[in-house]
Amino acid sequence: GAVVSQHPSRVICKSGTSVKIECRSLDFQATTMFWYRQFPKKSLMLMATSNEGSKATYEQGVEKDKFLINHASLTLSTLTVTSAHPEDSSFYICSARATGANSPLHFGNGTRLTVT
Amino acid sequence: SQQGEEDPQALSIQEGENATMNCSYKTSINNLQWYRQNSGRGLVHLILIRSNEREKHSGRLRVTLDTSKKSSSLLITASRAADTASYFCATGQNQGGKLIFGQGTELSVKP
Repeated sequence: GAVVSQHPSRVICKSGTSVKIECRSLDFQATTMFWYRQFPKKSLMLMATSNEGSKATYEQGVEKDKFLINHASLTLSTLTVTSAHPEDSSFYICSARATGANSPLHFGNGTRLTVT
Repeated sequence: SQQGEEDPQALSIQEGENATMNCSYKTSINNLQWYRQNSGRGLVHLILIRSNEREKHSGRLRVTLDTSKKSSSLLITASRAADTASYFCATGQNQGGKLIFGQGTELSVKP
């Protein structure tokens, strides 16, 4: 089956530093990937749609300069949390589709970010 | 913005019992999907039902969709302790195929 690998699984950083999270589709090509954020015991909030070779599409209220998304190849999208603050601490999950627009999403295992 | 509401928010049952979770949404959809999440992990796709379908089965899972009421239900029959997880519905939107998730139901199956 389609596998999405997300790295790192856990990261702790100091306030003001930047953190990069990688999302790779291992056995399929993904022209589109999606980045979600999840607070404890809450639903997933869609942050942005990452498009290979073009700019990401951000959801309303998500700061594009804060959460930089790069989708440079058909198998890799990265999310960089810039100048992280404690309120950015959260669980970030990426996902991708292996086939058409209405097919299921395949999720990475998420990244637990803690900003101290 | 979040699309749907799920109820109950939490459900605790004994092994062998059936578990029913409900999901409501607000806008028109292409499809509705159910996912499962174990604590601290990514989501796993369970089942997809298209907007022109009313019911779908997969193993011990049964999903219904009522587009007139903008609601769906997920039934897990003969539950097992291993079914303990959070369950989310997600609606497939027309815009770029993105999925919008409901609030989730936390299911606990006691052995």
